[in-house]
Amino acid sequence: DADVTQTPRNRITKTGKRIMLECSQTKGHDRMYWYRQDPGLGLRLIYYSFDVKDINKGEISDGYSVSRQAQAKFSLSLESAIPNQTALYFCATSDSGVLWGYTFGSGTRLTVV
Amino acid sequence: QKEVEQDPGPLSVPEGAIVSLNCTYSNSAFQYFMWYRQYSRKGPELLMYTYSSGNKEDGRFTAQVDKSSKYISLFIRDSQPSDSATYLCAMSANAGNMLTFGGGTRLMVKP
Repeated sequence: DADVTQTPRNRITKTGKRIMLECSQTKGHDRMYWYRQDPGLGLRLIYYSFDVKDINKGEISDGYSVSRQAQAKFSLSLESAIPNQTALYFCATSDSGVLWGYTFGSGTRLTVV
Repeated sequence: QKEVEQDPGPLSVPEGAIVSLNCTYSNSAFQYFMWYRQYSRKGPELLMYTYSSGNKEDGRFTAQVDKSSKYISLFIRDSQPSDSATYLCAMSANAGNMLTFGGGTRLMVKP
């Protein structure tokens, strides 16, 4: 099994719908992140969480919300999806204070029509 | 202007060529530098990391940092078709800070 699992792998949804992307990890890491990737723009941080009770906005949090249900689970919600949220979404984890250890999931390809 | 700039490519080279991938950055506080490799439909995987200036070698890969020029490079010797991927640079000022990523360079190594 993958260390960081994202579900679903692919999703097509309609404008205005609420959608949740889920991430779970078996690394035992305390830190979790949500990024989106767009061609030419690289990885942009949406939200991050340093532990279950700590949630922080990243550079592009508008239109998104998150929930850290447990140390191993971090979900991303789009409250009312819009077409410019079409992107590849990645969940990542790391161990506090260990910079080199970002582990990424395989991504969720989201299309909003 | 982005904090970390990276040519998106694609960069197409024949098998066996030496590849040079580069990033420039504007934040002089960055001192931790990483290269991630991302295969199609996969998440990025850490390839190499360096601290401050200098070179680091790992097999066919060499990471080089020039802090005075705010410029980092990844060299791939004897490139293989399996090296075809997108390479992202990432950097941070401190060990506990978020990583700032470049946009990635797509590399294609042709047999």
